[in-house]
Amino acid sequence: ELKVEQNPLFLSMQEGKNYTIYCNYSTTSDRLYWYRQDPGKSLESLFVLLSNGAVKQEGRLMASLDTKARLSTLHITAAVHDLSATYFCAVVRIRASLGMNRDDKIIFGKGTRLHILP
Amino acid sequence: DAGITQSPRYKITETGRQVTLMCHQTWSHSYMFWYRQDLGHGLRLIYYSAAADITDKGEVPDGYVVSRSKTENFPLTLESATRSQTSVYFCASSESGISQPQHFGDGTRLSIL
Repeated sequence: ELKVEQNPLFLSMQEGKNYTIYCNYSTTSDRLYWYRQDPGKSLESLFVLLSNGAVKQEGRLMASLDTKARLSTLHITAAVHDLSATYFCAVVRIRASLGMNRDDKIIFGKGTRLHILP
Repeated sequence: DAGITQSPRYKITETGRQVTLMCHQTWSHSYMFWYRQDLGHGLRLIYYSAAADITDKGEVPDGYVVSRSKTENFPLTLESATRSQTSVYFCASSESGISQPQHFGDGTRLSIL
């Protein structure tokens, strides 16, 4: 069974600091997504990680994937208040050769609520 | 503008009532999804649809019914609402299932008294 554990669940930090959010999963996966959600809003896709060693960066956010350790990280560099949001990882397992079937799974972490203090 | 629209945004109803949440997308994406988001949980997939008239269960389908008579619409019905179905519901769409990130609507906050 595919399980996803994300931590920390809540993080309050000062502007200018660095921090990392962790996403562990229990079985092999085919890809991993990171999403951002602002309060009362929808989820916005940030990164897609497809293979071992993948690293993606956008501004002050950098995501990486270690499939051997079954771990993805989202690193925040020199945080700014605008990055305050909830961040979710989603682990995907694909079994269908074409399209999608019920053996395919997408499991979201519980989310990390990030609060950056000015 | 292209996008995905959910309605209503907020709904309060009573246990035992039937309630339908609407979802409309303008991208002509093949796949559409319904998730629920609860405190202390990530999003959990309720149902998905690969095309018009093709639907399948996700992780938590019990108590829900879906239909997809047109590609652009994917309504979710709670036939007899229970308090445990109080949640925020998100609709999403994509062109190729979960092998690419989905586009999400703004959500419907449903409270069942």
